[in-house]
Parts: sequence; structure tokens; C-alpha cells
Amino acid sequence: DAGITQSPRHKVTETGTPVTLRCHQTENHRYMYWYRQDPGHGLRLIHYSYGVKDTDKGEVSDGYSVSRSKTEDFLLTLESATSSQTSVYFCAISDPGTTGGYTFGSGTRLTVV
Amino acid sequence: AQSVTQPDIHITVSEGASLELRCNYSYGATPYLFWYVQSPGQGLQLLLKYFSGDTLVQGIKGFEAEFKRSQSSFNLRKPSVHWSDAAEYFCAVGANTGFQKLVFGTGTRLLVSP
Repeated sequence: DAGITQSPRHKVTETGTPVTLRCHQTENHRYMYWYRQDPGHGLRLIHYSYGVKDTDKGEVSDGYSVSRSKTEDFLLTLESATSSQTSVYFCAISDPGTTGGYTFGSGTRLTVV
Repeated sequence: AQSVTQPDIHITVSEGASLELRCNYSYGATPYLFWYVQSPGQGLQLLLKYFSGDTLVQGIKGFEAEFKRSQSSFNLRKPSVHWSDAAEYFCAVGANTGFQKLVFGTGTRLLVSP
């Protein structure tokens, strides 16, 4: 694969607890993204990063925060998990000057009970 | 704002039959267009992409897609479906710049009957 890993792969957590999902890449790509996938909604953009310490909100950012302190890592944090955040979360990477679209990680299945 | 419509939620095709999955997009300029495939429990894999030039693009696994600007469409086709093609297919549109904030359709689930 293209050197992008997500951890954990599966997580069950309780409502109100903080959760952090990690995306790690070894491709030195500049851009990183977090999407959530839900039935009937496809993939929706949560947050994205266009460089170290440079992040911005996507269309469904409420309840989520991100951090990118180095090129290879992009963290997604649910400050206080809710049942509506039960979903499959995908990280993706891309690079300027390429026309390859995204490369996706394998996803994290998060269940909030 | 850009958007993608995949009008078919599910499609069932007999093995060996031809396949066409529909995708319509809304975008104010020349778009970059993509088709991704997702097998159950897996991430998304790029099937093919259109940036410019020939409007008929070839991808992996025998898939092709045709960009029709006048119809704002980018339909995915395969002449003969195999049972292993059963998966969910996503169309996506992005800007024709280095930074691609892709917008995805809601997906079409393909079922292949024997």
C-alpha cells in the first residue's frame, strides 16, 4: 500500500469520553484529510490539513478537532464523544503537483455507546 | 458549491453482463473526476480518474468511464462483470488544482448475481 496507516482499527467508547484517532503516512504528502462514512451519506469531509500546523474545517466539523504537529501525523479528536459520532473514519493523503487523487487508509470503525 | 449525485443506491447485475454506474456532478469549472471502489470492510481504492484530454478513460480491473461535459456526467462502465466486482462504488469531483478537496457521491452498491 501507499504507506498510510490508521489506528486504532476498531474502538468502542462511552458517550462523553474523549477519543483520538491517528493517521500516519510515510509518503511525505503535504495534504491530509479526515472523512467520515455513513450509510446514505457517502464520505463527508470533517477536517483537512494543507501543511504542518495548517488545518481547516470541512462540512461536518462540529464536535471534532484536529492537530498536525509534523508532516506524517494527523490526529482527529472527539472531545466528548456522542452516539451520532458512531461511524467509520477514513484518513486520506494527496500531494500538490500530482494528479493522483487521494490515497486512503483502511479506516477506523468507532462505536460510541 | 461542487456536488456529486449517484442516483442508484443499489444495482444488481448478472455475472457476465455489462455494467453502467451513473454519476452526475455540479462544478463551476473544469473538474477532476474520480471513481473509487470499496470492498466490504476495506478502504477506498482508485479505479480511474479524468483530468483532461481524451474523454474516455481506462482504469484498473477492466473499468472505463466517459466524461461528458454537456451532460455533467462521468459514468462508469464495464463490458462483463465478474462476481469479484461486487462492492460499493463512489464517484468524486475535485478542483483542477494541486489541492483537491474531493466531494464524494453517496455511493452505489453493486450486487452480482450468478
